[in-house]
Amino acid sequence: QLQLQQSGPGLVKPSETLSLTCTVSGGSISSTSHYWGWIRQPPGKGLEWIGSIYYSGITYYNPSLKSRVTISVDTSKNQFSLSLSSVTAADTAVYFCARQGSGWYRVWGYWGQGTLVTVSS
Amino acid sequence: DIQMTQSPSTLSASVGDRVTITCRASQSISNWLAWYQQKPGKAPKLLIYKASNLESGVPSRFSGSGSGTEFTLTISSLQPDDFATYYCQQYNSYSETFGQGTKVEIK
Repeated sequence: QLQLQQSGPGLVKPSETLSLTCTVSGGSISSTSHYWGWIRQPPGKGLEWIGSIYYSGITYYNPSLKSRVTISVDTSKNQFSLSLSSVTAADTAVYFCARQGSGWYRVWGYWGQGTLVTVSS
Repeated sequence: DIQMTQSPSTLSASVGDRVTITCRASQSISNWLAWYQQKPGKAPKLLIYKASNLESGVPSRFSGSGSGTEFTLTISSLQPDDFATYYCQQYNSYSETFGQGTKVEIK
């Protein structure tokens, strides 16, 4: 059974960089049928797509976050990672990593457990 | 960006009720629409993809319909496990967006 395990700090200072990693088990991140990505949810609010990455390194980012976001993949470790720079309190949210299908099935079928990241000094 | 608007924002219903949630897109997305269910403290769960296709393992009381700019999620007979928040998501473009959510509460 595919599992996505998230890791990273739950507290980040304003203006610093938020970094999270998602480790995939029970499946290969090099699958040609899937994308991997990050979605966040501010406390009490809705879902916001951050970006997606293919195993080859092709990325797609939310235009509103594109200038601050980097998603990378490490196929040797079966991991992918999120970096969000210059964070403010508005970036406080639960961050989810997830697996996305491709083509007509480009939906989010498997999710990590979520990590609450608080931006505060 | 394509904006997704759900209605209502909150819905109060009883067990056994038929429930319908609407999602409208700011421009045509063909049928590239998914529905998710989220319970407090949990990750969302995929229910419906490509507007009307039921994800494997999802009860048949859930159904989706629509195309273009207007879509619906219907729960034919609300069960206690269905009280949750529901989100639509468009994936017509490589800049996907979610609706703001519809919370289904116990009446």
